[in-house]
Amino acid sequence: GIQVEQSPPDLILQEGANSTLRCNFSDSVNNLQWFHQNPWGQLINLFYIPSGTKQNGRLSATTVATERYSLLYISSSQTTDSGVYFCAAASGGGADGLTFGKGTHLIIQP
Amino acid sequence: DAGVIQSPRHEVTEMGQEVTLRCKPISGHDYLFWYRQTMMRGLELLIYFNNNVPIDDSGMPEDRFSAKMPNASFSTLKIQPSEPRDSAVYFCASSNSGSVTQYFGPGTRLLVL
Repeated sequence: GIQVEQSPPDLILQEGANSTLRCNFSDSVNNLQWFHQNPWGQLINLFYIPSGTKQNGRLSATTVATERYSLLYISSSQTTDSGVYFCAAASGGGADGLTFGKGTHLIIQP
Repeated sequence: DAGVIQSPRHEVTEMGQEVTLRCKPISGHDYLFWYRQTMMRGLELLIYFNNNVPIDDSGMPEDRFSAKMPNASFSTLKIQPSEPRDSAVYFCASSNSGSVTQYFGPGTRLLVL
């Protein structure tokens, strides 16, 4: 099945800093999603982005499907951005179950 | 609109007991997914349903695990008998075929002693 790798595994930043999280996947994808798991364990969907670029406030994401990677950008980080960011992908039908990467653990210090 | 609802939120049981986890998907969603999260294996797909029919159960660990979806608004994941290695957070998620974005429930934290 598809392999999903994320980097870096851990990231510690000061409030206000910008960050880029990377996701590499081993096969062409029809479905790629980014999630944020907050410190209470809740998984929140950030983007559905199998290709192209999307923005939502301080967050944006870009997927270059031909080169099999996706990037999540966080600008002007806030302490509430702390948590684990997961990339998840599927290569079959659009609504298939997802294969998750191991995540990037982000800590934003005040 | 209510999100995905899971119950119980926490479950502590002893090895050998039967455990039943429950999920109510978002109304109108026709896909339902069960995932498990552990420190060792991360988040992994166990099984998913489309229109109440199991589509892919290749992630179900072994015969001790079973899942059902008797109607569009309810699904169960059962472990019988439970073992300590089943301890994990079990998530249910739902989506619809018009928008494949998956919405996750709060999870059930299971501890098997």
